[in-house]
Amino acid sequence: AQKVTQAQTEISVVEKEDVTLDCVYETRDTTYYLFWYKQPPSGELVFLIRRNSFDEQNEISGRYSWNFQKSTSSFNFTITASQVVDSAVYFCALSYSGAGSYQLTFGKGTKLSVIP
Amino acid sequence: NAGVTQTPKFQVLKTGQSMTLQCAQDMNHEYMSWYRQDPGMGLRLIHYSVGAGITDQGEVPNGYNVSRSTTEDFPLRLLSAAPSQTSVYFCASSYSRGLGPRPYNEQFFGPGTRLTVL
Repeated sequence: AQKVTQAQTEISVVEKEDVTLDCVYETRDTTYYLFWYKQPPSGELVFLIRRNSFDEQNEISGRYSWNFQKSTSSFNFTITASQVVDSAVYFCALSYSGAGSYQLTFGKGTKLSVIP
Repeated sequence: NAGVTQTPKFQVLKTGQSMTLQCAQDMNHEYMSWYRQDPGMGLRLIHYSVGAGITDQGEVPNGYNVSRSTTEDFPLRLLSAAPSQTSVYFCASSYSRGLGPRPYNEQFFGPGTRLTVL
């Protein structure tokens, strides 16, 4: 069975602060994929990143960065110099590789509020 | 190319009524899924399909029915709506992208249907 835990239910930061959203996962598979999605107040799901279990290289995309550590089963997401437009619910998700990979297991989400 | 479309966007039902949430994709994806999103619960898989004529249950299938007669459409039926089915419903379609022996599915989500059952 797979499980994704986002322990932070809600976070509030002041604009320009850095913020890290935590994600811890459980899986018995050796090959899997991790994802982050953003859900702005408008409600749609926006894909942010996908990471393979066999690639622990961290990734940076503009103000966003992701830290993947298999040793601690974590895939944390950091927003640098947060902006009001970053206010959203963020979901971490996990899938198998191969058969069953179309099924995503989501965490419960972290609601981020960036205060101007 | 419309991607994944869902209708209606909003719906209010009375307990016991039936309805069908529509989902269609024009990308010829083999896989389609339905998720529900409840406050504080994230998204949970209701039913999924790996191709026309093939469906299976996800984590929370009770009270829902699906069928997949075509590749494009994957409707979700509520036979007798209950207040516990008040939720936001997302349909997703995906296809397998190969990375040698480690394929993954590229997921495309619809805009969601907000359902309220009174």
